[in-house]
Amino acid sequence: KNQVEQSPQSLIILEGKNCTLQCNYTVSPFSNLRWYKQDTGRGPVSLTIMTFSENTKSNGRYTATLDADTKQSSLHITASQLSDSASYICVVSGGGGSQGNLIFGKGTKLSVKP
Amino acid sequence: DTAVSQTPKYLVTQMGNDKSIKCEQNLGHDTMYWYKQDSKKFLKIMFSYNNKELIINETVPNRFSPKSPDKAHLNLHINSLELGDSAVYFCASATSGRYNEQFFGPGTRLTVL
Repeated sequence: KNQVEQSPQSLIILEGKNCTLQCNYTVSPFSNLRWYKQDTGRGPVSLTIMTFSENTKSNGRYTATLDADTKQSSLHITASQLSDSASYICVVSGGGGSQGNLIFGKGTKLSVKP
Repeated sequence: DTAVSQTPKYLVTQMGNDKSIKCEQNLGHDTMYWYKQDSKKFLKIMFSYNNKELIINETVPNRFSPKSPDKAHLNLHINSLELGDSAVYFCASATSGRYNEQFFGPGTRLTVL
């Protein structure tokens, strides 16, 4: 069964600290993996998209890694800011053309405290 | 300059009513989507649609129907609303090609009383 599991479910860190969010998936075939940030009351915003051949991709203070062999991804946030407080959603695309077969994780809720 | 817009932002209605949520994108994308986000914040895809193909998530009740008057619009019509339909509904549009990057609208919070 195609699944995307994220951990931890929630996380509280102090401003300025780093953190790493995890995503494990069992989706096959695999097309790409995305990380989204969703602020409270708003739609998700894409942070990174990685295909099979990409091991790491950065977007400012966000760095995503992908190990397609172990089917694991992580999102590392450096020097966290209060505005990083949000839910982070891992999504795996199982191919199938432009529509794809998108499998969503349940997200990790990050709270950054001053 | 809103890329993907939805109306209304909030919708409160009685059980049994029929309602529509509108979505418009000005990105020139060919593919649009509707998602449902439940109280546990879990996003589930309901439909994906482009000019040629509608893909329906088989778990979506047939009370839900997407309607696309043109490539820039994908509206969601819901018949005979039920309490369990209460959720936030997101529209998204996507680029074609390798990444199929999606851009989400701000969401419509539907409350069925």
